Amino acid sequence: DTGVSQNPRHKITKRGQNVTFRCDPISEHNRLYWYRQTLGQGPEFLTYFQNEAQLEKSRLLSDRFSAERPKGSFSTLEIQRTEQGDSAMYLCASSDLGQGHSPLHFGNGTRLTVT
Amino acid sequence: GQNIDQPTEMTATEGAIVQINCTYQTSGFNGLFWYQQHAGEAPTFLSYNVLDGLEEKGRFSSFLSRSKGYSYLLLKELQMKDSASYLCALRNSGNTPLVFGKGTRLSVIA
Repeated sequence: DTGVSQNPRHKITKRGQNVTFRCDPISEHNRLYWYRQTLGQGPEFLTYFQNEAQLEKSRLLSDRFSAERPKGSFSTLEIQRTEQGDSAMYLCASSDLGQGHSPLHFGNGTRLTVT
Repeated sequence: GQNIDQPTEMTATEGAIVQINCTYQTSGFNGLFWYQQHAGEAPTFLSYNVLDGLEEKGRFSSFLSRSKGYSYLLLKELQMKDSASYLCALRNSGNTPLVFGKGTRLSVIA
């Protein structure tokens, strides 16, 4: 078990550019989550998948954001036409499909800076 | 929806005991989680409560009162490495995504 892996660790981009992040969950986990975290705040839910199906998207998620999990394994999060307000840590987490006590296991995140 | 409140910052002395409180309002409840997050790192799972009472795990314990919408995380024998943010999170039904509070930044001083 290598844990949840995210790439890249850091991304600096100019406003208006598109960026894509990748998350590889723990292999036996069915569920995969994306969160965003800014300084001094807790993680904010963006979207999540069960296998390849996207089950929920936050109402806060702009239509510039899209996420996929095509084969039910790794996932990508794309942000189009980035804005300075998109600067944050993007966290991926996974969990199994067990009962309500299943905790989320987080990756180390991708820190996005939009200049 | 959910609302979760935690103190923003706390300071405690090495070797002491500290209690971090979390109060919440939610339309549904299926568990309360505590996570630890060191600066620049991923949150790591500490504890889970779904029934009222105290859950103990070594130096860390977590308490829940569902009727009061209240939980606390108790850290004993504080060590410098316990300096971190502590996040309270709710699951409101089934196996749905967790909703996190803003976190409490704990500083342990000598």
